[in-house]
Amino acid sequence: DTGVSQDPRHKITKRGQNVTFRCDPISEHNRLYWYRQTLGQGPEFLTYFQNEAQLEKSRLLSDRFSAERPKGSFSTLEIQRTEQGDSAMYLCASSLFSGPGANVLTFGAGSRLTVL
Amino acid sequence: DAKTTQPTSMDCAEGRAANLPCNHSTISGNEYVYWYRQIHSQGPQYIIHGLKNNETNEMASLIITEDRKSSTLILPHATLRDTAVYYCIVRVEDSNYQLIWGAGTKLIIKP
Repeated sequence: DTGVSQDPRHKITKRGQNVTFRCDPISEHNRLYWYRQTLGQGPEFLTYFQNEAQLEKSRLLSDRFSAERPKGSFSTLEIQRTEQGDSAMYLCASSLFSGPGANVLTFGAGSRLTVL
Repeated sequence: DAKTTQPTSMDCAEGRAANLPCNHSTISGNEYVYWYRQIHSQGPQYIIHGLKNNETNEMASLIITEDRKSSTLILPHATLRDTAVYYCIVRVEDSNYQLIWGAGTKLIIKP
């Protein structure tokens, strides 16, 4: 297993454009998380999936953000009509559903978004 | 969730033990202490977690006080590659809710 993969690693876009990030979690992990991180801060939770079901969304996740996890495998995070305030590192993580591993998250390297 | 308090930054000499403190005075009886670290430009990495007993793995040791109001992460022989931001988080195991991250401790290992 190669861990959690995220693509692209870097994205530069102009304000108002749409962007999409992809995350491929560890195959046996049922849970998948999206976090956002700005400089000097810890990760902020955005949303998480258990298999294909999106179980929780943060109030940080405005209507311009949408996440999917079809078939409970990879996930995409789309940001529509990007704003400069969306510039951040978008982190994906996965974990087991239950037991001691439920809060042991494995993170990807992140997708850095710069909105000009 | 219990809140955690960590120093903003710490230095440690290479080869020495790095001791990173964390206060969690409002921790509940069923909340675990988790430690993660984040090396520059990488995603966070899980280190260790524990409930009340001291724990050790290949990366670090976790010492939790008897009253569970504080803990210390110990990197026994720090190397330059241990320079990172270290996060202490408390959470009920197998919770349906997300981990809440603070700003962490910036640990700088000096040669």
